[in-house]
Amino acid sequence: DIQMTQSPSSLSASVGDRVTITCRASQSISSYLNWYQQKPGKAPKLLIYAASSLQAGVPSRFSGSGSGTDFTLTISSLQPEDFATYYCQQSSSSPYTFGQGTKLEIK
Amino acid sequence: EVQVLESGGGLVQPGGSLRLSCAASGFTFSSYAMSWVRQAPGKGLEWVSAISGSAGTTYYADSVKGRFTISRDNSKNTLYLQMNSLRVEDTAVYYCAKEVRSQLLSANWFDPWGQGTLVTVSS
Repeated sequence: DIQMTQSPSSLSASVGDRVTITCRASQSISSYLNWYQQKPGKAPKLLIYAASSLQAGVPSRFSGSGSGTDFTLTISSLQPEDFATYYCQQSSSSPYTFGQGTKLEIK
Repeated sequence: EVQVLESGGGLVQPGGSLRLSCAASGFTFSSYAMSWVRQAPGKGLEWVSAISGSAGTTYYADSVKGRFTISRDNSKNTLYLQMNSLRVEDTAVYYCAKEVRSQLLSANWFDPWGQGTLVTVSS
């Protein structure tokens, strides 16, 4: 199985900060990498698919990059509604594994 | 509006069985693969099982293989997860999700997700 490792596991930041979350795959997954946002008690919501494509309706402050084994999710200017947990997920091969999550908290 | 809505969760004893359902609307259900993903309390996301649009192909995580069965009824726009021999460690919120595939991008992703249904395995 492909292992997905996110860093950091948690992050404190302030409104207006630029934040970057990293996701590393245990083997090359090309661009088969998706990012989801999850708020407490809610279902995950798709943010970025195919490593860098922004899902319709998602604010442009979110962006994704990378290919192969190393990927990043960047939030250019944090807004209050962005404090949540973020997960990466590989869809290169079954089982479609997720990273352990990065909890973004208010500083 | 594209929607999926899970039901069927509840409290069950270890060794028991439960069937989850996921009702889909707003899209041509038979054209899309579907997946179940679970989340144990306070933990991350774990993909559980997937099924092709035609129901001809199924996939399972090793943790549930031989105990869970995924199926679908395209005439009813409904996805199912039959869970047998349940264990305490199967306690989780179970989400169903539509799998979107793009030939142009050679990529696939889950969208949307349902609100989830809680399965609690406890004596």
